[in-house]
Amino acid sequence: DAGVTQSPTHLIKTRGQQVTLRCSPKSGHDTVSWYQQALGQGPQFIFQYYEEEERQRGNFPDRFSGHQFPNYSSELNVNALLLGDSALYLCASSSGATYGYTFGSGTRLTVV
Amino acid sequence: KQEVTQIPAALSVPEGENLVLNCSFTDSAIYNLQWFRQDPGKGLTSLLLIQSSQREQTSGRLNASLDKSSGRSTLYIAASQPGDSATYLCAPGDSGNTPLVFGKGTRLSVIA
Repeated sequence: DAGVTQSPTHLIKTRGQQVTLRCSPKSGHDTVSWYQQALGQGPQFIFQYYEEEERQRGNFPDRFSGHQFPNYSSELNVNALLLGDSALYLCASSSGATYGYTFGSGTRLTVV
Repeated sequence: KQEVTQIPAALSVPEGENLVLNCSFTDSAIYNLQWFRQDPGKGLTSLLLIQSSQREQTSGRLNASLDKSSGRSTLYIAASQPGDSATYLCAPGDSGNTPLVFGKGTRLSVIA
């Protein structure tokens, strides 16, 4: 049973560009959450998608947007990239609170 | 707003030693608590999930306890091995699909 799959693994972008990260949730999970993790810090919540709607959002600017598809997979889009957006982006899937969250291996984004 | 603190921030021990990692959280109205392991530059691997009705959970050499009323959890690692070297993160969870809140974690080094 495949867990959470994220692509790409690594990405290098130039300031001002736009980027799209992708996530396929664990089988049976219907909720996808995205986190940003800077070096030496814990993951910070960006937003969560359920039934193709953004259900909750953390303290991130509108440059960060997302989408969830009917098959529960999700995309994270970041526009007008800044150097400070360089981080590890983690996707987590879940289905209710009882069974916890499953995380993917992350996408390492470097903005130069 | 939930806040998570993990002590110590870093720990270095010789192989074979038993050790305890501490996690405290400010809002005790939690549904469960998850402990994760993170290798450098990688995603989060779930180690243990404790429901609020439970006092502890065990998996192999790992034992996690939860004292919900005092806002504390501990992760006990028995007979530590170099392969246990990683950052350990705890995350209390609310009901439904409330996003997980993380601290900065404890960076563990087990020296052979």
